[in-house]
Amino acid sequence: TQLLEQSPQFLSIQEGENLTVYCNSSSVFSSLQWYRQEPGEGPVLLVTVVTGGEVKKLKRLTFQFGDARKDSSLHITAAQPGDTGLYLCAGAGTTDSWGKLQFGAGTQVVVTP
Amino acid sequence: ETGVTQTPRHLVMGMTNKKSLKCEQHLGHNAMYWYKQSAKKPLELMFVYSLEERVENNSVPSRFSPECPNSSHLFLHLHTLQPEDSALYLCASSQDGGPKNIQYFGAGTRLSVL
Repeated sequence: TQLLEQSPQFLSIQEGENLTVYCNSSSVFSSLQWYRQEPGEGPVLLVTVVTGGEVKKLKRLTFQFGDARKDSSLHITAAQPGDTGLYLCAGAGTTDSWGKLQFGAGTQVVVTP
Repeated sequence: ETGVTQTPRHLVMGMTNKKSLKCEQHLGHNAMYWYKQSAKKPLELMFVYSLEERVENNSVPSRFSPECPNSSHLFLHLHTLQPEDSALYLCASSQDGGPKNIQYFGAGTRLSVL
């Protein structure tokens, strides 16, 4: 089983501050996805990273895939209350059977005005 | 709206009841999934269906029984559940499998077993 560990588990910050969420594993992934889940809703895909060292930007969100494709980070600049949610990373293994994604337990982010 | 609809949104059942969860996707996808989400734990993949054929069964107890009558509909039949089965059950769909498959999730059914 390829385990994905997310840190921190919980993060509470003020509006305008920056934050970084980490997703780490000892296993190599062929791709890694980040989702955000809001209360009462299912996870919604934010980004997919595929290449080692890849950096993707989505407005104030910056995603990075580690060179060895074992870890990833999500950085939010000038956080806003609308960024509040559970951030989940999910990796597709190099030898996974059809369609399987390994999810981390998530980081709960709370941004207060 | 993600194109994946789950009903009911909330369900309370006793340990001797029989109930079913329903999932419908309007995206024309070929694959559908059931996940269990418990607090502070990673999403647990339960079942995967591809073109109505079950391709993954992750050692799920037999009190959970999936059914996929066509590529747009997925059911999870529940019977004789235990209190530890209380969780958020999520349905997802994707165009196909593979390492880059993008999964679209429904809002989930919050299940409480008394």
